[in-house]
Order: sequence, then structure tokens, then C-alpha cells
Amino acid sequence: KQEVTQIPAALSVPEGENLVLNCSFTDSAIYNLQWFRQDPGKGLTSLLLIQSSQREQTSGRLNASLDKSSGRSTLYIAASQPGDSATYLCAVNGGNSGGSNYKLTFGKGTLLTVNP
Amino acid sequence: NAGVMQNPRHLVRRRGQEARLRCSPMKGHSHVYWYRQLPEEGLKFMVYLQKENIIDESGMPKERFSAEFPKEGPSILRIQQVVRGDSAAYFCASSPGLGSNYGYTFGSGTRLTVV
Repeated sequence: KQEVTQIPAALSVPEGENLVLNCSFTDSAIYNLQWFRQDPGKGLTSLLLIQSSQREQTSGRLNASLDKSSGRSTLYIAASQPGDSATYLCAVNGGNSGGSNYKLTFGKGTLLTVNP
Repeated sequence: NAGVMQNPRHLVRRRGQEARLRCSPMKGHSHVYWYRQLPEEGLKFMVYLQKENIIDESGMPKERFSAEFPKEGPSILRIQQVVRGDSAAYFCASSPGLGSNYGYTFGSGTRLTVV
């Protein structure tokens, strides 16, 4: 059974700082990994999707890397801003018994606070 | 493109009532997935549907919960005889094909409160 862990659970940084959020998963037989952000009381916004054959994806100030063999992904946020404050969720597709390629397994998230 | 639309945003039900949650996928998306987020828990897979077919409902409680995605209209997640433990945020996601190829787009969720 796939399990996803996100560290740290919470992070508070001053504005302008670069930061890294970590995600680890127990079964490396994944199809892809997706990072989302969730604002309080809101839905999930997709940030980056990395297919299993890829090593990283970039979008603006965000860069996500994937090391499938070691079961790890990182989300790097450059020059953080107060508007980046949210919960960041990591979700992997696959790695469950039966080999389903449509179930996402989510971590519990990292609550990021960027202080002005 | 309106994205994945869920309604209602908030739903309050008394114990024993029925809750109906609706999800309209993105235009062109024929694959719908429901997830539940309990307080202090991560999102958990409930069910995967394509038009008129339930592909995988292994994440749904065996009793009181059902889902459908008819040929016309939105996908419906129905919870009969709700109990306090059903209070959670229910999210719908859609994809144009298998999520392993395309990733997922999520809606804003329905927050169900059972009183």
C-alpha cells in the first residue's frame, strides 16, 4: 500500500526566502506525482505534474524534482511571497497493489506561512 | 473554461437525512473521481467513474454511499442517513483520459456538516 509523507508539517519563513518542501513515498512504482496548493476552505490548485520518466518540472518560481528510485520529490519555491501562504499537498499516482493508474495517494501537506 | 464545478459549496444536514453532492467535470473530461478529506486527515480516494460506469468504488464505505455519472448531467455522490462521522470536505476531480497521462483538475469541494 502506497504511503506519502510530507516534511515539515508546517513551515514559517520571512518574505523573500527560498524554501524546499519534501515529499516521500514508499512504493516507487508510480506513474506520476502532482503538487497542489490548498488555500483555507478552498479547493486544490494544481501546481506541477511530473511524469515518472521526468526528473523535474518548472513553472515560474516553482521547481519540482522527482527521484523515483529513492521515493522522493521536492518542491522548491524561490523568492517566497506572502501570497504563497497555503497548504502544499503532494500526491502520487500508482504504487498501490493491483497497479491502478488512477488513484492518487496524498500526503497530509505542509502548511506554509510567508511573513511580510 | 469553467473548471470543475461542485455544488453546493456548503451543505448542512441533520443526522439521518440524505446528502447529494454534485460535480460537473471540465468540458471534454469524461473521467471523474471523488475524494474525501476528513478533519486533520489527507485526502482519500473514494470512487472513479466514467460516463454511465463505475470503474472503481473500493474507497467508498460499503453502506449508505453511492455514486453515479449519468450520460447527461453531473456526477452525483449520495450519502444516505448521514451520521456525524460523514462531516468532511468532498472533492471531485476530472481528467480527459487516464490520470496517469494527464493529471487531475480538482473542484473547490463541498463541505458537509452533519448536525
